[in-house]
Amino acid sequence: DTGVSQDPRHKITKRGQNVTFRCDPISEHNRLYWYRQTLGQGPEFLTYFQNEAQLEKSRLLSDRFSAERPKGSFSTLEIQRTEQGDSAMYLCASSLAGLGFTDTQYFGPGTRLTVL
Amino acid sequence: QKEVEQNSGPLSVPEGAIASLNCTYSDRGSQSFFWYRQYSGKSPELIMSIYSNGDKEDGRFTAQLNKASQYVSLLIRDSQPSDSATYLCAVRGAGSYQLTFGKGTKLSVIP
Repeated sequence: DTGVSQDPRHKITKRGQNVTFRCDPISEHNRLYWYRQTLGQGPEFLTYFQNEAQLEKSRLLSDRFSAERPKGSFSTLEIQRTEQGDSAMYLCASSLAGLGFTDTQYFGPGTRLTVL
Repeated sequence: QKEVEQNSGPLSVPEGAIASLNCTYSDRGSQSFFWYRQYSGKSPELIMSIYSNGDKEDGRFTAQLNKASQYVSLLIRDSQPSDSATYLCAVRGAGSYQLTFGKGTKLSVIP
């Protein structure tokens, strides 16, 4: 399977704990995105990397959230001191830089986070 | 605040009919437009992208874009029960790589 992969697929944690998610993009893709989706809503953008550089970051991303893409390949998203409001599906997407803004984002299966 | 609006549905159509899904967006400088399909509990799956005014056809799917009206639509011909899903409209704004999504329209195709 050469699609975007995410790990774990499901995570249940207690409020106040830290969690970390991993995303492996499609192998030749140099752009990587994180989104969050709650029930009944469309995905909301969190952050974007081009290679290892974090170029865009949503105001939704509080100080408790941090993302890295250290070698321009896989990425991690960490949430510190989780809150019940963090419960959501965390989606990773990747794309290959194209002409202008025509690149297409392909999504991974997501990590469903439940904070008790 | 960039916004993408869709009717939440549910939109019910009989099998074999044409389903019409609509989307409007607020950022007049938007350049790229996408339709994703999302089955319950799954992640979004790309159906089509469109960048220029007019129609773009791919199999049973046709995307239509009208930048002057800030409107994009998706037509599904010969609808099948397997098309039952939530359809998400996504827009990339000017100078940005992030996608702004609508809340999605839930489509139900009745056998």
